[in-house]
Formats: sequence, C-alpha cells, structure tokens
Amino acid sequence: EMVLTQSPDTLSLSPGERATLSCRASQSVSNNNLAWYQQKSGQAPRLLIFGASSRATGIPDRFSGSGSGTDFTLTISRLEPEDFAVYYCQQYGSSVMYTFGQGTKLEIK
Amino acid sequence: QVQLVQFGTEVKKPGASVKVSCKASGYTFSSYGISWVRQAPGQGLEWMGWISPYSGNTMYAEKFQGRLTVTTDTSTSTGYMELSSLRSDDTAVYFCARTIFGKFDYWGQGTLVTVS
Repeated sequence: EMVLTQSPDTLSLSPGERATLSCRASQSVSNNNLAWYQQKSGQAPRLLIFGASSRATGIPDRFSGSGSGTDFTLTISRLEPEDFAVYYCQQYGSSVMYTFGQGTKLEIK
Repeated sequence: QVQLVQFGTEVKKPGASVKVSCKASGYTFSSYGISWVRQAPGQGLEWMGWISPYSGNTMYAEKFQGRLTVTTDTSTSTGYMELSSLRSDDTAVYFCARTIFGKFDYWGQGTLVTVS
C-alpha cells in the first residue's frame, strides 16, 4: 500500500509570504496522479491541484503544484488570509485505491 | 451547478449499522464515480470506497472490506454508504465526493456519525 508523507506537519507564516508544502510517496505515483486539497475548519475539502500541476476550476494562480515520481510540492506564492487552512495530498494510482497524506496545517504566524 | 447534498447527523449504538445518503444534482449522475471519505474528530482524511453508478463496479479500502457497502440509485441520483458492526472509532464525519479519473472534484458537506 502506498503511503504519502507530508511535511511539515505545521507551517507558520505571515500573509504575503510564500508557502512550500511537501508530499513524499513511498513508491512512484503512476502518471503523476497526485492531487492537493484545501480544508478549512468545519468545511469539506476543496480540490486545488490535480495531475500534480494542473489547477482545478476557479483556483487562483497563486497556487501551483510541481513534482513527479515520489516527490511533490504545493506552492502558494503570496499568502492571503483565506489561505490559512489544512492541506492534503492524495494519490490516485493505477488501480482504484486512493490514499491521502496526513495533512499540513498552515497557520498564521 | 454541481451539488452533493448530505443530511445532518446519525447516532448509533456499537454493533449497529448506519446508512448515509448523498443526493447529486447538476450533472449526469452515471458519468462520474462516487467515493466515500471519512474524517475522525481532529484527524485527517481516509478514503473508504468508490462506486461507478454506470456499471455498479465497486472498490473498497482493505480496512473496510466486509463491513462497508456502497451503492447508488440512478433513478434518484443518490449514492449510499452503509457501514456495519459499528465501533466507537467509527465516529467521524463521512463525506461523499464526485470522482473523475481518481480526483474528488466536488464534495458533500458531510454527515456526522456518532457511535456511542
């Protein structure tokens, strides 16, 4: 079973700063089938990035994804107040078995 | 617009079963899969299972094999998740999510299931 490990567990930054979140897979993610989600307290998750680097509909261009194989990154170029939330990566590999990372909490410094 | 609507809260005794519904609208129901994801209090997201409304094919996370059943009713565009032999550690918010090529692009608002 594939395991996704996100780092750091918590990231403390100020609005306007750049955020870099990491997701490492225990084995290669086929076809770079990796997505990122944002979840605010009391809400359902929201799809941000799919295919490692494609933004979902309506997602601002300050969010970008990169990486391949086992190492993936979500970058938020200039943090807005509404970006402070928990972020999850998710792989959707060759079969219908999906896995989430444990999450990174992005908090206001 | 695409919507997945789930209803409120369930309270169950240990050993009982729960069936959670997810009514879809705003798209062709049979063209997209439905996945179920749960989140225990203060914890992360855990994928449970998936169904294709078109074919009826299902896949379950190994952890839930034998205890989880996901179904759909295409006449009402509704998905269902039934979990049996409930334990206290099944207490969680259960989300449905529209699934396309493995990504979850729209989510229901979640149903809180409390086992006590």
